[in-house]
Amino acid sequence: SQKIEQNSEALNIQEGKTATLTCNYTNYSPAYLQWYRQDPGRGPVFLLLIRENEKEKRKERLKVTFDTTLKQSLFHITASQPADSATYLCAPLGGSQGNLIFGKGTKLSVKP
Amino acid sequence: DSGVTQTPKHLITATGQRVTLRCSPRSGDLSVYWYQQSLDQGLQFLIQYYNGEERAKGNILERFSAQQFPDLHSELNLSSLELGDSALYFCASSEGLAGKEQYFGPGTRLTVT
Repeated sequence: SQKIEQNSEALNIQEGKTATLTCNYTNYSPAYLQWYRQDPGRGPVFLLLIRENEKEKRKERLKVTFDTTLKQSLFHITASQPADSATYLCAPLGGSQGNLIFGKGTKLSVKP
Repeated sequence: DSGVTQTPKHLITATGQRVTLRCSPRSGDLSVYWYQQSLDQGLQFLIQYYNGEERAKGNILERFSAQQFPDLHSELNLSSLELGDSALYFCASSEGLAGKEQYFGPGTRLTVT
């Protein structure tokens, strides 16, 4: 069955550094993959979508890569700020109708 | 504000009972998705509707059912509730069937006692 793994449950970094989060998927090949941010008790918020024919996508301080050979996506936040502290969810496409399969998330803490 | 509304925000009920959660999608969005989020399981996809029709099913229990009405709002019905059904239930909407981002509502926190 389809399986999504986000490499760490928690990641602590210093303000100003680059945070790198990893998402691995197995047993299928999604046509695209999305990343979401979730704050405690709130609904996830869409950040970026990357398609299988795209190697990299950028949005302001965010960068996502998609390696279909390694079955992996990397999510980078450059010049991180305490306000970036949240849980980040990887969500590859789960089926032809657009439903997503969410990873359990990585909780990022950025210390001043 | 995502534009997706969910009611109620909180719900406390007893085991064996039945509840209905309601979701109104963003204006113009035809797809509605329901998710369950518990501490140990993460965000689990339950079911998807598109323009009134069921389109995809995930890990939805037989005790749970959903529908999408002609005005595109959706309801998730949970029956014969068990303690393990306590969770945050999110509704999300998107423009079409695939290739688009999903906009999540604020969620309904269900507590079964």
